[in-house]
Amino acid sequence: GAVVSQHPSRVICKSGTSVKIECRSLDFQATTMFWYRQFPKKSLMLMATSNEGSKATYEQGVEKDKFLINHASLTLSTLTVTSAHPEDSSFYICSAEDRGNIGGYTFGSGTRLTVV
Amino acid sequence: GEDVEQSLFLSVREGDSSVINCTYTDSSSTYLYWYKQEPGAGLQLLTYIFSNMDMKQDQRLTVLLNKKDKHLSLRIADTQTGDSAIYFCAESSNDYKLSFGAGTTVTVRA
Repeated sequence: GAVVSQHPSRVICKSGTSVKIECRSLDFQATTMFWYRQFPKKSLMLMATSNEGSKATYEQGVEKDKFLINHASLTLSTLTVTSAHPEDSSFYICSAEDRGNIGGYTFGSGTRLTVV
Repeated sequence: GEDVEQSLFLSVREGDSSVINCTYTDSSSTYLYWYKQEPGAGLQLLTYIFSNMDMKQDQRLTVLLNKKDKHLSLRIADTQTGDSAIYFCAESSNDYKLSFGAGTTVTVRA
């Protein structure tokens, strides 16, 4: 079945630095990928829709300059948290839409970001 | 906008059936999903149902959809300890975005 690889699974960074998270579709092409943020014991909040070859579409309230999304190829989208602060600490999850598979949204395994 | 609600907790005895309920508001939903999340992990698609269906069965899982009441349920037969997890209900409409419920934490006790 469709597999989405997300890397790294855990990262600790210092306040003020930037962190890049990668999301790869391993056996299918994903023109659209989604980035979510999950707070402890909460649901997933959609941050942005990443479209291959074009600008990402951000949800209301999500700072596009803070959370940079690049989707340069059909199998890779990256999320860069710029100038990270402790309040950015969270669980970030990507998903990719496999249009060859009905009902096919495949999720990565998530990245636990801790900003100290 | 879309709104998906589900109960937050469910405790069930091993071997019994679990039923997780979900309601949604978007009448244009095309697909409805159930995802499972284990601690520290991503989401695993368990099953989905197209909006013109009212039931789908897949081994121990049974999904019931009442489109009129916008009510979705997931029944897990013969619940096992490995079924302990958070279960998310989600819906999508024409824009392909998923809207999630808050998740139901299922605890299976021996």
